[in-house]
Amino acid sequence: NAGVMQNPRHLVRRRGQEARLRCSPMKGHSHVYWYRQLPEEGLKFMVYLQKENIIDESGMPKERFSAEFPKEGPSILRIQQVVRGDSAAYFCASSPQGRGQPQHFGDGTRLSIL
Amino acid sequence: GESVGLHLPTLSVQEGDNSIINCAYSNSASDYFIWYKQESGKGPQFIIDIRSNMDKRQGQRVTVLLNKTVKHLSLQIAATQPGDSAVYFCAENWGETSGSRLTFGEGTQLTVNP
Repeated sequence: NAGVMQNPRHLVRRRGQEARLRCSPMKGHSHVYWYRQLPEEGLKFMVYLQKENIIDESGMPKERFSAEFPKEGPSILRIQQVVRGDSAAYFCASSPQGRGQPQHFGDGTRLSIL
Repeated sequence: GESVGLHLPTLSVQEGDNSIINCAYSNSASDYFIWYKQESGKGPQFIIDIRSNMDKRQGQRVTVLLNKTVKHLSLQIAATQPGDSAVYFCAENWGETSGSRLTFGEGTQLTVNP
């Protein structure tokens, strides 16, 4: 089952460290989305990327957060100098095309900040 | 502002009964909707979608109804099974200005009693 693959599944970091979250989209999908979910809440959009391009990053904090989707390899969500408030589940989704298409999700990365 | 919300945070049903999960949205420009199922520790799983030019769509044991007049969306699950126990989210996509992002509701916890 070549679904959306995310790793690591769990990541523990101390305050001030960097967190790197990886996402490999489904085969044939060139659109990638990152969402964040706090406990008992819905998912909140962060960023939308296509290969080598950031299309919409309006949901991502301006500082400390960045995302990329290189020509080769997985999409990366990077959080620098993590703080306790960054603790959440981060989900990646992919779709074959953009708007108006179902997005298929991975099982997420649970980020815990000590 | 625009929002997607659910009327009931929890729903408990007996195995074999039909379940109805509701969702209200406030943005009349919304034109694409998706229902997701999320089990504990996993990512959202696509169930069914519907576009605004339709008012009903059926899948396997599930039906989505869209009432644009009152901005209401519902998910009906026939012959509910214990494996249906999960949190259900509706998500919407609207207009060109929001791009491809999905806006999620808070979720409804469905519990199926044997």
